[in-house]
Amino acid sequence: KAGVTQTPRYLIKTRGQQVTLSCSPISGHRSVSWYQQTPGQGLQFLFEYFSETQRNKGNFPGRFSGRQFSNSRSEMNVSTLELGDSALYLCASSLALMNTEAFFGQGTRLTVV
Amino acid sequence: AQTVTQSQPEMSVQEAETVTLSCTYDTSESDYYLFWYKQPPSRQMILVIRQEAYKQQNATENRFSVNFQKAAKSFSLKISDSQLGDAAMYFCAYRSAWGQGAQKLVFGQGTRLTINP
Repeated sequence: KAGVTQTPRYLIKTRGQQVTLSCSPISGHRSVSWYQQTPGQGLQFLFEYFSETQRNKGNFPGRFSGRQFSNSRSEMNVSTLELGDSALYLCASSLALMNTEAFFGQGTRLTVV
Repeated sequence: AQTVTQSQPEMSVQEAETVTLSCTYDTSESDYYLFWYKQPPSRQMILVIRQEAYKQQNATENRFSVNFQKAAKSFSLKISDSQLGDAAMYFCAYRSAWGQGAQKLVFGQGTRLTINP
């Protein structure tokens, strides 16, 4: 069974641009969560999607958004990139909402210059 | 809001010896889950062990075991017979059992574990 797949693995963007990151969950998993990991702030919850609906959102500005498709694949978008958005973005999938077993992908390393 | 604190930014241990990583958390909830995740250089977070708060018995997974002290809000990880492959960042995490908090993990700042051959 394939694990959680995140693409791309690495990304370099310029301040002011926007970026879209993709996450394909484990087959059969319907819940996808996103986390931002930085040296200063650690791991912080961005949002969770289940059945194409955002169920919970962390304390991030509106520049951070996401969506989930009918096949459970999820994308997150960051608009008007700032230097502080440089981070490792991790996606986790679970069988169902509030399921305690979360499986993580290898992340997308975003660098904003 | 729940918080998780790992007071040891770095730890090191000799191969084959035992090491304990500390974690404390703050919550007013009575029902929740606690986890230890490992993040090797590949960056993928791997679940090491999980503990349900309603269970008094400490969880064990092969060489990994926890000491869960609910009243003290303490959740330490013991790694026995340390192996070179155990070298990684270790994160303690909390998840509520109910409500919107159940939809997210709250992580500690991590402990970098080095294994000396």
